[in-house]
Amino acid sequence: KAGVTQTPRYLIKTRGQQVTLSCSPISGHRSVSWYQQTPGQGLQFLFEYFSETQRNKGNFPGRFSGRQFSNSRSEMNVSTLELGDSALYLCASSLQVDAADTQYFGPGTRLTVL
Amino acid sequence: GDSVTQMEGPVTLSEEAFLTINCTYTATGYPSLFWYVQYPGEGLQLLLKATKADDKGSNKGFEATYRKETTSFHLEKGSVQVSDSAVYFCALRITGGGNKLTFGTGTQLKVEL
Repeated sequence: KAGVTQTPRYLIKTRGQQVTLSCSPISGHRSVSWYQQTPGQGLQFLFEYFSETQRNKGNFPGRFSGRQFSNSRSEMNVSTLELGDSALYLCASSLQVDAADTQYFGPGTRLTVL
Repeated sequence: GDSVTQMEGPVTLSEEAFLTINCTYTATGYPSLFWYVQYPGEGLQLLLKATKADDKGSNKGFEATYRKETTSFHLEKGSVQVSDSAVYFCALRITGGGNKLTFGTGTQLKVEL
C-alpha cells in the first residue's frame, strides 16, 4: 500500500507570492492533518480535515487555508508569503478521527521564501 | 493548554549504551501518548504509542510507559545502535479532540561507534 505522498517536495517562492501544497493520503484514509515544522517553533498543528470538513484549526493567521476533496486528497494554501513561512510542511493521514488511530506522515514539502 | 516537555538534546551515546529520553506532559483532557522518530530528510514515523494509564508501548526495542501519576512517558532502549540516530518527538492527542497532535521540541540522538 502506498504511503502518504506530498507534492512538490521542494519549493522556492518570494515574499508576497502565494503557494499551494498537495497531500494524497493513504488509500481509504479519510482524515488529513497539516503541520508546520520550523527550527524555532518546532512542530505546530495547522488544521485537520475529515470528509471534506475542517474539524480543527491551529493558531495561524488567515493567510493559511486548506481544503479537502471528495477523494480525501487535501491542499493547503499560503497567501502573501512572508520570510517566516519558510518551513517543512508535513501532512498526516489516518482512517478516522480516533484517539487510538495511527496517523501516518508524508515526507513533507520544504518551502523556502526568499 | 496542552503541552509536552522533552529533555534538551543532542544526546550522544556510544553503541550498545542505555537510552532514556524524558517526556512529561500537561493535558486539558485525557491524552493518548506517542513517540515519533524523524530521520534526516524524512517525515515522522510512529515509533510507539499508549492510549491509557499504565499501558506500555513498545517497538524495535524501544519502550515507554504511560504514567498518569507523574504525567510522564519516558522513552527507553536497552542497547542503542548507530542506526537509531535520529530526532525523537514525544506527542499527545486529547481524546475527543480530533487528530490534533501536540508535540514536544524533539530530542536529537547521536549514536557513535
